[in-house]
Amino acid sequence: AQSVTQPDIHITVSEGASLELRCNYSYGATPYLFWYVQSPGQGLQLLLKYFSGDTLVQGIKGFEAEFKRSQSSFNLRKPSVHWSDAAEYFCAVGPTGNQFYFGTGTSLTVIP
Amino acid sequence: EPEVTQTPSHQVTQMGQEVILRCVPISNHLYFYWYRQILGQKVEFLVSFYNNEISEKSEIFDDQFSVERPDGSNFTLKIRSTKLEDSAMYFCATPRERNTEAFFGQGTRLTVV
Repeated sequence: AQSVTQPDIHITVSEGASLELRCNYSYGATPYLFWYVQSPGQGLQLLLKYFSGDTLVQGIKGFEAEFKRSQSSFNLRKPSVHWSDAAEYFCAVGPTGNQFYFGTGTSLTVIP
Repeated sequence: EPEVTQTPSHQVTQMGQEVILRCVPISNHLYFYWYRQILGQKVEFLVSFYNNEISEKSEIFDDQFSVERPDGSNFTLKIRSTKLEDSAMYFCATPRERNTEAFFGQGTRLTVV
């Protein structure tokens, strides 16, 4: 069965510090992997995606993610966090058939 | 970035009432999805729609739910008789084509009282 696990419910980092958000997936075939960000009261914005090829993908807002097949992981990273990065981050896999599977999300707090 | 537009942004309704949530997808996209997010929980798939018919639905999408594309542009989700547990954020999403990333609308927050 397809599933996505985000082990960290809430992360707090200082502005300017590096960030890594974890994502592990279970998927029966080569996955399509995504990271979405949700600011308060907003919809889901695509940060980046992995379909194939280079396992290190670059996204918007300075984010990157690395696909590691051996670890079934797709962790999101940013070298220097800005206060505006405070949001909820969702990892997703799919689509299988017609649906995407989302993790439970990681809430990021950025402190000055 | 292309935009998916949802209306209303927030709707409050009494239990047992019917609600219709509307989505204007990106014009050349052919697949349409509805997802919901109960407060504090994960984003859950409800239904996918292609070529004017449902292509897949989850166990959440019971007989109280229906979708249609009444005029070739809007994509609607109807809940016939709302329950308290229907309170959630409802997202419309459209991928450009099958097996590509989905563009999400800003969501409609439904509150059933």
